Amino acid sequence: DADVTQTPRNRITKTGKRIMLECSQTKGHDRMYWYRQDPGLGLRLIYYSFDVKDINKGEISDGYSVSRQAQAKFSLSLESAIPNQTALYFCATSEGQGYREQFFGPGTRLTVL
Amino acid sequence: AQSVSQHNHHVILSEAASLELGCNYSYGGTVNLFWYVQYPGQHLQLLLKYFSGDPLVKGIKGFEAEFIKSKFSFNLRKPSVQWSDTAEYFCAVSGGATNKLIFGTGTLLAVQP
Repeated sequence: DADVTQTPRNRITKTGKRIMLECSQTKGHDRMYWYRQDPGLGLRLIYYSFDVKDINKGEISDGYSVSRQAQAKFSLSLESAIPNQTALYFCATSEGQGYREQFFGPGTRLTVL
Repeated sequence: AQSVSQHNHHVILSEAASLELGCNYSYGGTVNLFWYVQYPGQHLQLLLKYFSGDPLVKGIKGFEAEFIKSKFSFNLRKPSVQWSDTAEYFCAVSGGATNKLIFGTGTLLAVQP
């Protein structure tokens, strides 16, 4: 979905490096989410944000941090990458009212050596 | 806590066969249910959703799902699969005010021509 973009699409890095994954959306949605996908584990929520001043931890936030720079931008950082953070990372957005579907970005494949 | 179970991890079918993928959830309150599909190399796309009303929900590409509250189930069905249905399918549930999606571990469907 071109309305939700992620950069980079692929990244290979080394243990200990700091990495930032970026997400931008043009859907005008208030809520944004970061997930990681691992084979056999589905998608797990890392962080979510209901608006610029409201950021919440998900089920697997250890080792990650986020920044909501604007309504349209939500970045995920790995302060010191480790190999078990190798995964596919997805950003998603949803409207703020009610129970709405989430719209996903194309994903970032991160490999930590 | 909410959880979602998808019991079929891998399914292999021939074209024109019927499909049913199981999804069970645990949550005591009002839930919203989703099926997402991930085609090879692509991001997640919404197949169908249930918020309220008719428990038989029709989605895109001929898919449907039935919400059976007494069984805590939301199984996905398609009468006749095509090779292009080869993908990974995720069931997800959200409930409460946060709209957090809880995903199942996914079912990888391979349709043989």
